Amino acid sequence: GNSVTQMEGPVTLSEEAFLTINCTYTATGYPSLFWYVQYPGEGLQLLLKATKADDKGSNKGFEATYRKETTSFHLEKGSVQVSDSAVYFCALSSGGTSYGKLTFGQGTILTVHP
Amino acid sequence: EAGVAQSPRYKIIEKRQSVAFWCNPISGHATLYWYQQILGQGPKLLIQFQNNGVVDDSQLPKDRFSAERLKGVDSTLKIQPAKLEDSAVYLCASSLSPAGGASEQFFGPGTRLTVL
Repeated sequence: GNSVTQMEGPVTLSEEAFLTINCTYTATGYPSLFWYVQYPGEGLQLLLKATKADDKGSNKGFEATYRKETTSFHLEKGSVQVSDSAVYFCALSSGGTSYGKLTFGQGTILTVHP
Repeated sequence: EAGVAQSPRYKIIEKRQSVAFWCNPISGHATLYWYQQILGQGPKLLIQFQNNGVVDDSQLPKDRFSAERLKGVDSTLKIQPAKLEDSAVYLCASSLSPAGGASEQFFGPGTRLTVL
């Protein structure tokens, strides 16, 4: 079955540091890949997505590239801000009878200090 | 545009009691999902509706959980009777395109259930 594995957390960084959150997946077929973010006290919201191999999703300075050969979708940001503190979830959606169903990783808590 | 609405936001019950959660998706969204998010874990799909029909309920504990989406709009998720391990946040999400695909899912704020 489908599965998503995220790097162990939590992650604590100083403002303007470089961020990488690792995500690898197992899926049948050709899944779409997503990063969702959950800010304190708010609901889950889509951060970025990629629908095919070598696609790069980007939003708010965050980027992730769909790597089929390594089954990875690592999230990166060159310079984090305090406002980026949140929980980040990697997820995939594949075809079949549950087309659209999201399978999530366990989440990575990011804390950014001034 | 109004987002996905859920109620109640918080619920505390004792084990073996019943509870129901309500979700109103974004207008026009054909697909509706219920996820369970246990503390420290990612959300797990419980059930997926396409209009008022069930697409996937393979992860729904059908001996105690039930869900319906009458008229293809609002949805209700019920637990009867609740167990301690049902303590979690229950998230409702909706998406525009039939069966979701790679289209964005919009999530509600969730209902935090505590079972004592």
